[in-house]
Amino acid sequence: KAGVTQTPRYLIKTRGQQVTLSCSPISGHRSVSWYQQTPGQGLQFLFEYFSETQRNKGNFPGRFSGRQFSNSRSEMNVSTLELGDSALYLCASRRRADTQYFGPGTRLTVL
Amino acid sequence: EDQVTQSPEALRLQEGESSSLNCSYTVSGLRGLFWYRQDPGKGPEFLFTLYSAGEEKEKERLKATLTKKESFLHITAPKPEDSATYLCAVRSMEYGNKLVFGAGTILRVKS
Repeated sequence: KAGVTQTPRYLIKTRGQQVTLSCSPISGHRSVSWYQQTPGQGLQFLFEYFSETQRNKGNFPGRFSGRQFSNSRSEMNVSTLELGDSALYLCASRRRADTQYFGPGTRLTVL
Repeated sequence: EDQVTQSPEALRLQEGESSSLNCSYTVSGLRGLFWYRQDPGKGPEFLFTLYSAGEEKEKERLKATLTKKESFLHITAPKPEDSATYLCAVRSMEYGNKLVFGAGTILRVKS
């Protein structure tokens, strides 16, 4: 069974731009969560989607948003990028209350 | 206040030198404790899920145990390929389905 896939794997943007990251969950998994990983803050929860509905949200500004499609694929968007948004963005999928499985991540660099 | 604390921050072992990593947590209503392994530039790879005190799981040279306040990841006779960052995360009734991660333990095994 294919794992979680994320595109693109690497991205370079400049301050003020916006970016959209994509995640395809493991087949049959309906829940998708997004996390931000930085050297200083570690792994922090952004939000979770289940059946196209946001179920939980972390403590991030409104510039961070997401959505989920009917096929469970998810996207997250960051508007008005700041230097501090440089991070590895990880997507994880799970079946119901099971373990979350992570994708390889998207490395975002903001210049 | 940190809900999940991992120690030590870094650990250097000689090949074959067994040791343990610690993960202590303070969340209420634990719904699962998870161990992941993360290699540089990659997404976390799932290792174990533990649900109740006294539970143990094993996989090759790794064994995870759980008490009411902490979990240990025991590494028996480690090899250089076990070098990675080991992450502990908890899911609790207090925080819904999101995972709250510790900062991780960086393990280096020298041959």
